[in-house]
Amino acid sequence: GEDVEQSLFLSVREGDSSVINCTYTDSSSTYLYWYKQEPGAGLQLLTYIFSNMDMKQDQRLTVLLNKKDKHLSLRIADTQTGDSAIYFCAESMGVTGGGNKLTFGTGTQLKVEL
Amino acid sequence: GAVVSQHPSWVICKSGTSVKIECRSLDFQATTMFWYRQFPKQSLMLMATSNEGSKATYEQGVEKDKFLINHASLTLSTLTVTSAHPEDSSFYICSAARGQGRGYTFGSGTRLTVV
Repeated sequence: GEDVEQSLFLSVREGDSSVINCTYTDSSSTYLYWYKQEPGAGLQLLTYIFSNMDMKQDQRLTVLLNKKDKHLSLRIADTQTGDSAIYFCAESMGVTGGGNKLTFGTGTQLKVEL
Repeated sequence: GAVVSQHPSWVICKSGTSVKIECRSLDFQATTMFWYRQFPKQSLMLMATSNEGSKATYEQGVEKDKFLINHASLTLSTLTVTSAHPEDSSFYICSAARGQGRGYTFGSGTRLTVV
């Protein structure tokens, strides 16, 4: 079955880098995603990576994928107070956006302190 | 582009009544809509998957007679919580598949409180 785990809470100082980790069990995952959820709101897609990639960088965000260890991480450079939110990793199999469901991780609450 | 409008954003209802939640894709056709439920400080749990014009597929443990899903058009899907009880209080979020290779767009969520 599918199981996606994350640490529950991370606290960083403004300006530092944040690293949020995720482990998954389903080796047939095709796409892996990072979503951001602010209080009382829906989910905002931050970035995603295809399973044959090791790394993807998008401005302040860097995603690293270790497929052998089934480990995904999201690094946020120069973390700002506006980055405080819950971050979910998610996986899907097959082509993204079709009828393939997303399986979400447990979520990591990121708190950015001044 | 690729906006999903979800209404209402917040609803309080009495126990025993029914509540309908709507999700509309505003600028694309959503052939598949996913409905999730999220308890406080927890992850999103998939309730059901609906394809336009066909019956929804429910996840194990989700009562299909209690959570009625209708996906009659490519731009509208609804979730009706029938005979709601306090344990149904939760945050409900829809997610529309934008088509093969185009990812997903989430609604802004509905906070349901049953009193």
